[in-house]
Amino acid sequence: DTEVTQTPKHLVMGMTNKKSLKCEQHMGHRAMYWYKQKAKKPPELMFVYSYEKLSINESVPSRFSPECPNSSLLNLHLHALQPEDSALYLCASSGEGKDGNEQFFGPGTRLTVL
Amino acid sequence: ILNVEQSPQSLHVQEGDSTNFTCSFPSSNFYALHWYRWETAKSPEALFVMTLNGDEKKKGRISATLNTKEGYSYLYIKGSQPEDSATYLCAFIYGYSTLTFGKGTMLLVSP
Repeated sequence: DTEVTQTPKHLVMGMTNKKSLKCEQHMGHRAMYWYKQKAKKPPELMFVYSYEKLSINESVPSRFSPECPNSSLLNLHLHALQPEDSALYLCASSGEGKDGNEQFFGPGTRLTVL
Repeated sequence: ILNVEQSPQSLHVQEGDSTNFTCSFPSSNFYALHWYRWETAKSPEALFVMTLNGDEKKKGRISATLNTKEGYSYLYIKGSQPEDSATYLCAFIYGYSTLTFGKGTMLLVSP
């Protein structure tokens, strides 16, 4: 299985809602990533998990809270978001987390914050 | 902030044309360079992982070269086909698995 799956595909939420994005891979990859992609811009790294521990947080606001329950799953908990947080959220994974390993991306969750 | 530049921003060619794109990146602290293809409504897909100066990699009609000393990589597509239409992203790797993406080159191949 060389697929990264993400759910839901689309999410619409209000600024007071709490929601979660989910990402799953069964390739045995030990590094997993969250990216944010706004229209006509490249993906921007948010978080990196390596061996289920948060290794990089690119100064992301606390209204985004990542969680890695096990080596196959990565969640992104959302709370009190702003309309400007509307974007495509991509999850990716790679083997061993070392430089140079290609990343496998999921299809993304299209988030709209009203 | 690392600057990864891609040119051109967009390109429209006819089926059968050959084309190439450029990715420029900081020449210091180089670890690796990735090329990804991102088709509309699909996930970005890795094309090449390049780590050594002078690397040349090929996959079918697509090939890439790497010059780490001067900080650039070229992606070539020979005999473009409509199914090659996509956004091509390069990503510079620094630190621990940290990718910085360029803005991409959007390719449209007309039949």
